Amino acid sequence: ETGVTQTPRHLVMGMTNKKSLKCEQHLGHNAMYWYKQSAKKPLELMFVYSLEERVENNSVPSRFSPECPNSSHLFLHLHTLQPEDSALYLCASSQGRLAGKNIQYFGAGTRLSVL
Amino acid sequence: AQTVTQSQPEMSVQEAETVTLSCTYDTSESDYYLFWYKQPPSRQMILVIRQEAYKQQNATENRFSVNFQKAAKSFSLKISDSQLGDAAMYFCAYRSGGAQKLVFGQGTRLTINP
Repeated sequence: ETGVTQTPRHLVMGMTNKKSLKCEQHLGHNAMYWYKQSAKKPLELMFVYSLEERVENNSVPSRFSPECPNSSHLFLHLHTLQPEDSALYLCASSQGRLAGKNIQYFGAGTRLSVL
Repeated sequence: AQTVTQSQPEMSVQEAETVTLSCTYDTSESDYYLFWYKQPPSRQMILVIRQEAYKQQNATENRFSVNFQKAAKSFSLKISDSQLGDAAMYFCAYRSGGAQKLVFGQGTRLTINP
């Protein structure tokens, strides 16, 4: 079983829908991340949570709303998305800010298609 | 801002041969970490190897090793005795010391020919 689990694996939604992506980590980490992976582009960091507090928001549109209720769970709430938001959304976790322990472990991602 | 460049979109190698994937980065910092991640068709990013910038010795993990040239800002990955299971996208990544953000390159798709 992977240490970082993402659900669903695939999601198709219309532009007017509201959906949520879920990430759960079983590694005892205290930092969690959302990345966006689009075709032919490098992975883009979206949000960082450390000890359940959002510490980084990389100019992500407000139609993406993260939530971190505890150190093991991370959500990405989606509403009124655009077709260009279609991508693979990856979640990661790490032990925290200490440099030597900050190795990020990734889930398998949610493949999102916006119609 | 730091940038990571992988100049080889695709590479291929015969099974059991050795292949080297290139990565260069740009930074003005002295404290940082470099990583190679592998993303197979299952999509999960898997850490292959990491290198601390303050260490002169190149990191090694079984068949995977790096050639870290700090002055040249180069961080290549060598895969020895290539296996079919090594087929994947390989991403080079940079992280500033003490920071949490990873900066990724564009990736190199590695094909293993039987």
